[in-house]
Amino acid sequence: GQSLEQPSEVTAVEGAIVQINCTYQTSGFYGLSWYQQHDGGAPTFLSYNALDGLEETGRFSSFLSRSDSYGYLLLQELQMKDSASYFCAVRRDDKIIFGKGTRLHILP
Amino acid sequence: EAQVTQNPRYLITVTGKKLTVTCSQNMNHEYMSWYRQDPGLGLRQIYYSMNVEVTDKGDVPEGYKVSRKEKRNFPLILESPSPNQTSLYFCASSFMGINSPLHFGNGTRLTVT
Repeated sequence: GQSLEQPSEVTAVEGAIVQINCTYQTSGFYGLSWYQQHDGGAPTFLSYNALDGLEETGRFSSFLSRSDSYGYLLLQELQMKDSASYFCAVRRDDKIIFGKGTRLHILP
Repeated sequence: EAQVTQNPRYLITVTGKKLTVTCSQNMNHEYMSWYRQDPGLGLRQIYYSMNVEVTDKGDVPEGYKVSRKEKRNFPLILESPSPNQTSLYFCASSFMGINSPLHFGNGTRLTVT
């Protein structure tokens, strides 16, 4: 089977750095993806890690450790517009399975 | 503009009245999928399709049907809707199946009374 665990909520201060963790259990692994969803909007793709290490895209970075079945999304220089829900996702056979999401609250 | 288009955005119906939610993409994607989103449960996959005439069940397929007669279209059919199908539905598509980013439609909020 397949399951993903991520915190339900995280709170951080504007301008700070926040890390959102995701652990997964899988019988086969094809990479970890991250998506962002603002209230009332559709999920949008942020990043994909197939191999161990850090992938950086502007203020957002994503990390994967396959040996630990663990990854995280790192958001730097937080802005109020980063207030959203963040989902990690993995592939199981031909299905794409999402975690339950982490709601990021940003304080001014 | 590259996009996934779902219709309608909002739908209120009654138990047992058949309905179809349409989904169309203009990016020539092979992979298409339907998800439902409920508070605290995240996105759960209903059905997916790897290509024309190829569809498979996701994790929550009960009460739903799909078809993929053309590459661009992937409608979701509820033959006899029930209140537990009240949810926010998203259609998504991608190139090369699984390892490419999913592009989501804007969602359909369905209420079944």
